[in-house]
Amino acid sequence: QLQLRESGPGLVKPSETLSLTCSVSHGSFDSNNHYWGWIRQPPGKELEWIGSFYYSGSSYHNPSLKSRVTMSVDTSKIQFALMLTSVTAADTAVYFCARQSRIVTVRGPRRGVFDLWGQGTTVIVSS
Amino acid sequence: IQMTQSPSTLSASVGDRVIITCRASQSVSTWLAWYQQKPGKAPNLLISQASTLQGGVPSRFSGSGSGTQFTLTISSLQPDDFATYYCQQYNTYSVETFGQGTKVEIK
Repeated sequence: QLQLRESGPGLVKPSETLSLTCSVSHGSFDSNNHYWGWIRQPPGKELEWIGSFYYSGSSYHNPSLKSRVTMSVDTSKIQFALMLTSVTAADTAVYFCARQSRIVTVRGPRRGVFDLWGQGTTVIVSS
Repeated sequence: IQMTQSPSTLSASVGDRVIITCRASQSVSTWLAWYQQKPGKAPNLLISQASTLQGGVPSRFSGSGSGTQFTLTISSLQPDDFATYYCQQYNTYSVETFGQGTKVEIK
C-alpha cells in the first residue's frame, strides 16, 4: 500500500527557508487520478492547505502564503518537496504531505479530498 | 470560502448519538469532506462528497447536507471515536479550506 513520509529539519531560524521532503513508498505519483499536496497545522489550530501539484507540472498554492511557496518533484527518487521562504514564528506547525483526489468534471479537473496522509513532521521557527 | 463548525467541543458518553455541524460561507454543493484526527496523528478521511462513506469506516458514521449546511452523525459513540473532527470544502478551484474542528470528549 502506498505510503508517504515527511522529513526535514525540526528547527528553522526566522527569515530562513524551510525545506521539507515527502518520500513516496510502495507506489509512484505519476497517477492520472491524483494531485499531491501539503497541509499544515499550527499548534492547537485547524488545518491549512498550503498547495498541491499534478505530476505533469501544474501547481496551485494558497494565496495567503503569497509567493513564499515552491513545490518540486524528483521522480527519480520518488519524492516531492516543499520550500517556504522567509519563515516567521507563524509558520511553526506540523506539516503533512498528502495524496489528493483528482475529480474530472464537465468543467475540467478539480482537486478533491486528501485520502492518504503522511505522519506529519513538526517544524519550529525560532532563533 | 470559510467553514464554521459547531460545537467546538462536545462532551458525550459511549452509546450517545453525536451530531456535528459544518456551515460554509457560500454554497459548496456537495463538495464536502469529513476527517477524524487523533492526537499526534494525521487526519483520516471518513466521508467525501458530503455523504459517501470511505472504505473501512464504520457504518455508525454518516454525513448529510448540501449547499451551506452539513452534518456528521455518529449513531452510537464508541471509545475509539473520541477525537477531533474537521470538515473540508473542495468546491472552489482556488483554495481548499477546513473548519476549525470539533473535539469530541468523554463526558
